[in-house]
Amino acid sequence: DAGVTQSPTHLIKTRGQQVTLRCSPKSGHDTVSWYQQALGQGPQFIFQYYEEEERQRGNFPDRFSGHQFPNYSSELNVNALLLGDSALYLCASSLRTFIQYFGAGTRLSVL
Amino acid sequence: TQLLEQSPQFLSIQEGENLTVYCNSSSVFSSLQWYRQEPGEGPVLLVTVVTGGEVKKLKRLTFQFGDARKDSSLHITAAQTGDTGLYLCAGVYNQGGKLIFGQGTELSVKP
Repeated sequence: DAGVTQSPTHLIKTRGQQVTLRCSPKSGHDTVSWYQQALGQGPQFIFQYYEEEERQRGNFPDRFSGHQFPNYSSELNVNALLLGDSALYLCASSLRTFIQYFGAGTRLSVL
Repeated sequence: TQLLEQSPQFLSIQEGENLTVYCNSSSVFSSLQWYRQEPGEGPVLLVTVVTGGEVKKLKRLTFQFGDARKDSSLHITAAQTGDTGLYLCAGVYNQGGKLIFGQGTELSVKP
């Protein structure tokens, strides 16, 4: 049974560019949450998707947007990248509960 | 704003020693989860505590949820080098909702 998978594993972008990160949830899960983890910090909640709609959103600017597809997979898009967007981006999936299972993350470096 | 204060931030001990990590908030959680994260990986769920005063044991790890559901602790007995990693507590304030993470405790167990 595949767990949460994220792609790509690493990404290097320059300031001002746009990036798309992808997530496939654990089999049977219908809810996807995205988190940003800066070096040496705990993850910060970005947003959560359920039934293809954004259900909750954390304190992140509109440059951060997302999407959930009918097969429950999800994308995180970040526009106009800033140096401060460099972080590990984590996807977590769950099935209508608070128990979330995390992928290995995408390491984004903005130069 | 819901905040989780985790302490200590760093802990370096010798193999065989005991340790306790604390997680505190001024807000009441509906539940609290403890994760362990290794470099380059996503957080892995260790335990979920739901009921005030609850104590759960996972081999040498003991997790406690405060009576008022505002705080939690993780105690490791006879630490081993394999316990090295980042320990994260995460609070849930509504069912199925976002996780609010503490800043993490970086544990290093030396042989």
